[in-house]
Amino acid sequence: EAEVAQSPRYKITEKSQAVAFWCDPISGHATLYWYRQILGQGPELLVQFQDESVVDDSQLPKDRFSAERLKGVDSTLKIQPAELGDSAMYLCASSPRTATGELFFGEGSRLTVL
Amino acid sequence: AQRVTQPEKLLSVFKGAPVELKCNYSYSGSPELFWYVQYSRQRLQLLLRHISRESIKGFTADLNKGETSFHLKKPFAQEEDSAMYYCALNTGTYKYIFGTGTRLKVLA
Repeated sequence: EAEVAQSPRYKITEKSQAVAFWCDPISGHATLYWYRQILGQGPELLVQFQDESVVDDSQLPKDRFSAERLKGVDSTLKIQPAELGDSAMYLCASSPRTATGELFFGEGSRLTVL
Repeated sequence: AQRVTQPEKLLSVFKGAPVELKCNYSYSGSPELFWYVQYSRQRLQLLLRHISRESIKGFTADLNKGETSFHLKKPFAQEEDSAMYYCALNTGTYKYIFGTGTRLKVLA
């Protein structure tokens, strides 16, 4: 069964360092999402792609966060410089072009900023 | 403002007891609502969506537009239902916002 792949699963870094997360959605899924989940809270949308185009990045802190999906397949989320408050689980999800409303999530990348 | 509220962080019930996980939403348009579940050491996955009007693993959820609610119910809880449950709202253009989640613990 196809699944969304994310790496790394865990990342520990010091503040002011750069961090990158990678996501490979399910093959053929046009929409890709990056969510941030702080402990005890629900997932919060950071950025949404439709193919290679950004649909929504209104909640992405653009002074330090960037996201790209160059060929409309896999995606990278970067943080530079990392801050203590960035410690969270970063979840990637994808959904097919047909409007089913189902998001398929990866296992997430847990970031700890020291 | 568009918002999903899950008022309970933790809900503990005994096996065989009824379960109701509360979800309220704030949305000016026609809502499309979902319940997602995360079992221990598993990824977040869709449980059910209101437009399907389906029962999954014995769970049902009815959209009440008057009360702006989409509560998740099951008549008889099982230990394997213990998990984290999130209510989600499609706010248009397939942008989904999630509630803060409710941890369900089913006690033996």
